[in-house]
Amino acid sequence: QVQLVQSGAEVKKPGSSVKVSCKASGGNFGTYTISWVRLAPGQGLEWMGRIIPLVDVTNYAQKFQGRVTITADKSTSTAYMELSSLRSEDTAVYYCAIVLPVPNFDYWGQGTLVSVSS
Amino acid sequence: DVVMTQSPLSLPVTLGRPASISCRSSQSLVYSDGNTYLNWFHQRPGQSPRRLIFKVSNRDSGVPDRFSGSGSGTDFTLKISRVEAEDVGVYYCMQDTHWPYTFGQGTKLEIK
Repeated sequence: QVQLVQSGAEVKKPGSSVKVSCKASGGNFGTYTISWVRLAPGQGLEWMGRIIPLVDVTNYAQKFQGRVTITADKSTSTAYMELSSLRSEDTAVYYCAIVLPVPNFDYWGQGTLVSVSS
Repeated sequence: DVVMTQSPLSLPVTLGRPASISCRSSQSLVYSDGNTYLNWFHQRPGQSPRRLIFKVSNRDSGVPDRFSGSGSGTDFTLKISRVEAEDVGVYYCMQDTHWPYTFGQGTKLEIK
């Protein structure tokens, strides 16, 4: 059973950056693909990017390319999502997730609210 | 990017009645391995999403059998045979055949 625990809520100014962490336990961290998904107010879920820690490979949705950086620290089983040049439209709940197309392999962090306001 | 289009976006349903959500993709979701990677998620306010269905029609454990998924290629459906109060929330289809993975806009189910 995998558990994902994310860092706490953040309040940021426009133009700044935020880094959200996601600590995994109960599984083989390095072999999973860890994704980041966000839910903005009044919007739907949006897939931002992913990382495979074992091979340190990342993929980003084009919408976020250049602004998002996903990293992983295998020694602490923690993944990070950093979003830069924040704007008000980035106000959202950010989730880390491990979702595989096998039965019951669907794990999500509790979500981290990032508020961007001047 | 693959565009996922859900309908309806709002779904008021009487308790005990059936409900159905349609999801269409802008291109085929059949992967080169022959599988179709289409999922359904449910999200209640203030909670993380929970997957109900993976690969079109496979229910995750603990998901009531009143939920069923069907479809192929570009057209998919989630059906709830008899809606219960706990089914309220937003339902999303999501494809993980093509990168970037994409979600539908979401369908908000409410009790009439």
